[in-house]
Amino acid sequence: DQQVKQNSPSLSVQEGRISILNCDYTNSMFDYFLWYKKYPAEGPTFLISISSIKDKNEDGRFTVFLNKSAKHLSLHIVPSQPGDSAVYFCAASEGTTLGRLYFGRGTQLTVWP
Amino acid sequence: AAGVIQSPRHLIKEKRETATLKCYPIPRHDTVYWYQQGPGQDPQFLISFYEKMQSDKGSIPDRFSAQQFSDYHSELNMSSLELGDSALYFCASSLISTYYEQYFGPGTRLTVT
Repeated sequence: DQQVKQNSPSLSVQEGRISILNCDYTNSMFDYFLWYKKYPAEGPTFLISISSIKDKNEDGRFTVFLNKSAKHLSLHIVPSQPGDSAVYFCAASEGTTLGRLYFGRGTQLTVWP
Repeated sequence: AAGVIQSPRHLIKEKRETATLKCYPIPRHDTVYWYQQGPGQDPQFLISFYEKMQSDKGSIPDRFSAQQFSDYHSELNMSSLELGDSALYFCASSLISTYYEQYFGPGTRLTVT
């Protein structure tokens, strides 16, 4: 049972434009949400997180939005750069399980010049 | 900055053999997590340790065992290997106080033939 879902397996965006990656979840007990970026032959790299008590968190070009009522979060990358091309995983953590992360299947982002 | 180290990076074993994967967390991190990622799948949580004690257990087969040592490194022991055990095995570490921000190693690719 997939508790974190990324319904778009791929996204293609032109350099300089905004990239929006989406994620849905089913477990209302999740207290933190995270985005990881993964290049081939490397482990996932932590990008940004958001607590369930917030609706927005920003770090440079990356902003994560959380809509708890819709059980939906999104990652905005502005402006997109070719180096952003990677697989992006959405993940969630439930406080009662102290760190176990539940991952989505990932979205392959391609930023073209 | 020091990252999570995993060894070996690649491992080829035959069915029914045993394998040992090692993980060296980021210095001062007190919690280690193991994840398994099958082909085209999302990473699945296996097990975690906090201060050398098992803190959480996920979908880890009984054929697998793990431990965390006094220097905080961890080992995942896998016995009676099956073809279905072929996967990428990631180790991640964090501080327990920021359990939701996990830093991943590059992974060990295990191939069972």
